[in-house]
This record gives sequence, C-alpha cells and structure tokens, in this order.
Amino acid sequence: DVKVTQSSRYLVKRTGEKVFLECVQDMDHENMFWYRQDPGLGLRLIYFSYDVKMKEKGDIPEGYSVSREKKERFSLILESASTNQTSMYLCASSSPPRGGQETQYFGPGTRLLVL
Amino acid sequence: GQQLNQSPQSMFIQEGEDVSMNCTSSSIFNTWLWYKQDPGEGPVLLIALYKAGELTSNGRLTAQFGITRKDSFLNISASIPSDVGIYFCAGNNNAGNMLTFGGGTRLMVKP
Repeated sequence: DVKVTQSSRYLVKRTGEKVFLECVQDMDHENMFWYRQDPGLGLRLIYFSYDVKMKEKGDIPEGYSVSREKKERFSLILESASTNQTSMYLCASSSPPRGGQETQYFGPGTRLLVL
Repeated sequence: GQQLNQSPQSMFIQEGEDVSMNCTSSSIFNTWLWYKQDPGEGPVLLIALYKAGELTSNGRLTAQFGITRKDSFLNISASIPSDVGIYFCAGNNNAGNMLTFGGGTRLMVKP
C-alpha cells in the first residue's frame, strides 16, 4: 500500500512565523505535490516536484516555497505566515504516468491555523 | 483552476439507497480518478479508470470512464452511514502530471 505521511495533523502558528510542513512517501514515487484545500475553492495546487531538487509552480505559489532534497521527502515552507494561509494542506505523490495513467495518493493533511 | 463539473454538490439520502454522482469536462481526459475524503482527513483513492468505456467496481462502488472521455460517474449501492463524506473526481489529460479536480459531492446518509 502507498503510504504518504505528513509531519503534523494540526499546527497553530503566529503571523510572521516561518512554517515548515513535511511530507514523506514510502513508494519511491518521482512526483510529489502540495495542495491547499479551502471551503468553496476545492483543491488548489501550490507546488510540485518531478525529481530531487526540481520544483515547479502550481496555481497559487505566492507566499510559499518548497524543498526536495531527498526523493521521499517534499517540504512546504511558509517564509512568513499570514492569516490568509490558514487552510488544510495536503501532500500527494505519484509515479510518472504511462499513457496518461496519473494516479496521485494523498497524505492525511495538515490543518494550519495562523493567528 | 477547476475544469471539471461535478454534480450534485450534495446529497442527503436514506441508508440503503443507491447513489449516483458524475463529473463532466469540456476537454478529453485519459485518466479518471474517484476519491473519498472524510472530515479532517486527506482524500483516499477509491477507483482509478484508465480506458474509455471502462467499468470498474470496488465493493459497493462502481465507476465508469465515459466513452467520449469527457465524463465519468460513480455509483454507490446500498449506502451505509460510513459512506458519509465528500467524493471528488479528478482527471488527467496527459499534459504533465497534474490532476484537475471536481468541486466534490458531499454525501450525507440518514440511518
């Protein structure tokens, strides 16, 4: 079974703090993704990575950065947390698609509250 | 942004009833996925469809990849209270590894 884990289920941070969200997958997947999920807005892609040290911007990268130093680990960084970054953050991973068979597996999510 | 239209947005049904929800797209997809998300949890993959016309079952769940490749449906038979949650469809159009998600169907089951 694919296992994607996230370092925290719940986090409370203050405005201006630097926040690290960690994601680890144990299936040797090449691709990893960070989404945020907000009521009425669905799942929005923040950043993704095809390989170690590679990153690509998603739909809403502003205010975030990422790090992929090891294949199994993908970190999302909020350099200076703001209240509008309060959200549910979801990590996902996948292997390269064969003939378009992209299948992403999600972690349990981190609910971040920025005060 | 989202390009998949998922309906209905919510359903409130009696335990034991069958449920049907669907997703449609204006463009062709090569993969359709159905996920279920429980409150406070991440989405869990239920069914993956990779071929137009494909019909796949997972227990009481059945999903089909539309023959036009622009739609998919998910059926749940004989619903039970633990079916409660939000069901998402997602598609991949082979433009890289990104998925496009539907807005979700919130299912509520009355015991």
